[in-house]
Amino acid sequence: DSGVTQTPKHLITATGQRVTLRCSPRSGDLSVYWYQQSLDQGLQFLIQYYNGEERAKGNILERFSAQQFPDLHSELNLSSLELGDSALYFCASSVGAVGVGRNEQFFGPGTRLTVL
Amino acid sequence: GNSVTQMEGPVTLSEEAFLTINCTYTATGYPSLFWYVQYPGEGLQLLLKATKADDKGSNKGFEATYRKETTSFHLEKGSVQVSDSAVYFCALATSGTYKYIFGTGTRLKVLA
Repeated sequence: DSGVTQTPKHLITATGQRVTLRCSPRSGDLSVYWYQQSLDQGLQFLIQYYNGEERAKGNILERFSAQQFPDLHSELNLSSLELGDSALYFCASSVGAVGVGRNEQFFGPGTRLTVL
Repeated sequence: GNSVTQMEGPVTLSEEAFLTINCTYTATGYPSLFWYVQYPGEGLQLLLKATKADDKGSNKGFEATYRKETTSFHLEKGSVQVSDSAVYFCALATSGTYKYIFGTGTRLKVLA
């Protein structure tokens, strides 16, 4: 158990809908990262927050957005869903953000999103 | 830009065989290098890491040495077990950036 929790574990929805995925980092970790894992794209970094502020963006679509709240939990919002958005969405956390190489990431179990 | 290249899988081995999974990288600056493992139905777990050239990371019988001259970080294990069956990801992160670059992953199947 990494200490990172994600809810829900599974989500099934229809095209055009909007969903929210939630992540609680390990106690004491200030950084939260979101990743998308699909069969054809592999593991893709989406976005990172550090202590409530956005710090880095990866391959995140404009239909997707995220935020980190004062209690450090984070939410990833996916809207206007398409079939291709079906994937595993992972959250990870780390202690800090500066000198990221010294801060390994701890991954949650993931949320499996299925868009029908 | 920074990138990580891993050998394609799946890699299928018999129990107690020697394992090598190749990983090479391209990066500006001096990255830290990682191997993560993903067991079926689970998230990624850090397996080992190395933060500078010639460092050797090791854990659970797995080893990888940071080779700057060949820009490689190959994962090795002397004797694999069925329980090692998983997907292995090589990754890098450069100081001052906020994101990891992951390889595509290599699936390992160990047969009894």
